[in-house]
Amino acid sequence: GQNIDQPTEMTATEGAIVQINCTYQTSGFNGLFWYQQHAGEAPTFLSYNVLDGLEEKGRFSSFLSRSKGYSYLLLKELQMKDSASYLCAVRDTGGRDDKIIFGKGTRLHILP
Amino acid sequence: DSGVTQTPKHLITATGQRVTLRCSPRSGDLSVYWYQQSLDQGLQFLIQYYNGEERAKGNILERFSAQQFPDLHSELNLSSLELGDSALYFCASSGGTGGVQPQHFGDGTRLSIL
Repeated sequence: GQNIDQPTEMTATEGAIVQINCTYQTSGFNGLFWYQQHAGEAPTFLSYNVLDGLEEKGRFSSFLSRSKGYSYLLLKELQMKDSASYLCAVRDTGGRDDKIIFGKGTRLHILP
Repeated sequence: DSGVTQTPKHLITATGQRVTLRCSPRSGDLSVYWYQQSLDQGLQFLIQYYNGEERAKGNILERFSAQQFPDLHSELNLSSLELGDSALYFCASSGGTGGVQPQHFGDGTRLSIL
């Protein structure tokens, strides 16, 4: 079956670093995406990993280990505007269809 | 601005009714995806079209249907509406069908069933 797990909520302090974990089980794999979604708004693309390792993009980095079915999103120098939900999504190429499966998201609260 | 346009932004209707949600993808994108997001729920994938053809199907109810037209815009039809259909419906588009093709989301249509 397909399963993507992320913590429901996390809290961090402005200026700090936070790591949001995601584990997945899919019948096929062809890439993992991270999206940011502010309440009531559209998700926006943050990062994509298809090979093992770390991808860095400014204050945000994303890591993937395919053998462990594990990824994390690292946010540095947190700002109040980073308060949002962070969605982990996997492209599952197993089965009849190739589709992107989203986790339920991690709601990140930033405290001043 | 993602370049994906969804209309209407809000829709209020009653149980048993039928509505049509519309999506115009980013210029040049051939794939269109539809998602449903209920309160406290993740994005539930409904269906994907690529260049006019159905490409992948998710948890889409039989009461729901979609199509992609030759100009690549897409419509999602929801019929015999129930209270539980109240949700945000997002459309997303991407340039292809696989690989590193991030999806770009529209602002969504908020559907409220009374």
